[in-house]
Amino acid sequence: GAGVSQSPSNKVTEKGKDVELRCDPISGHTALYWYRQSLGQGLEFLIYFQGNSAPDKSGLPSDRFSAERTGGSVSTLTIQRTQQEDSAVYLCASSPPGRTFTYNEQFFGPGTRLTVL
Amino acid sequence: GDSVTQMEGPVTLSEEAFLTINCTYTATGYPSLFWYVQYPGEGLQLLLKATKADDKGSNKGFEATYRKETTSFHLEKGSVQVSDSAVYFCALGSQGGSEKLVFGKGTKLTVNP
Repeated sequence: GAGVSQSPSNKVTEKGKDVELRCDPISGHTALYWYRQSLGQGLEFLIYFQGNSAPDKSGLPSDRFSAERTGGSVSTLTIQRTQQEDSAVYLCASSPPGRTFTYNEQFFGPGTRLTVL
Repeated sequence: GDSVTQMEGPVTLSEEAFLTINCTYTATGYPSLFWYVQYPGEGLQLLLKATKADDKGSNKGFEATYRKETTSFHLEKGSVQVSDSAVYFCALGSQGGSEKLVFGKGTKLTVNP
């Protein structure tokens, strides 16, 4: 079946502009995650959705970052007034419902490479 | 908070050499442990996992054993191939809360023919 998809695959923007990154999770997956992969920081957690609510936003680096999820499906990560340090690959992952006593696997999308000039 | 430490490399090996990538963790409770792999130009893929102490995860000739006493989850392969060249990430996930993954910084492996 279809995996997690993200768009755009690449985004180049000028400092100070706003950007929106989109994630389409695997159909039926209730949990959705955003991570950021940068050279200096490795892979960092940004935000977690369960359905349309975000019980954990602890990884968002500043109030310029926000995310929403609608219909329990598509999610959008918005970065306002972009800065050069926002340049990174933004990864989305989803995982299925039905928690058991073991951890649910996360399936990752290909990422959006953001470059802020 | 939870954290993962892995050898950062880069690691360069010849084909058929033995591979070990060390990974240790700090966590409360009983996390699940994972190795993810990122091949050049591709997204993160789950390589193997272990959900409780003494479990061994294995896939594609790679193995890792969940050692609670040493808080480790070292990745091993007996004979690497050129196609194993990739970046390998150790990660942990804790139950409860957000179940976010906490990653190590990644180890780049290059296998030469």
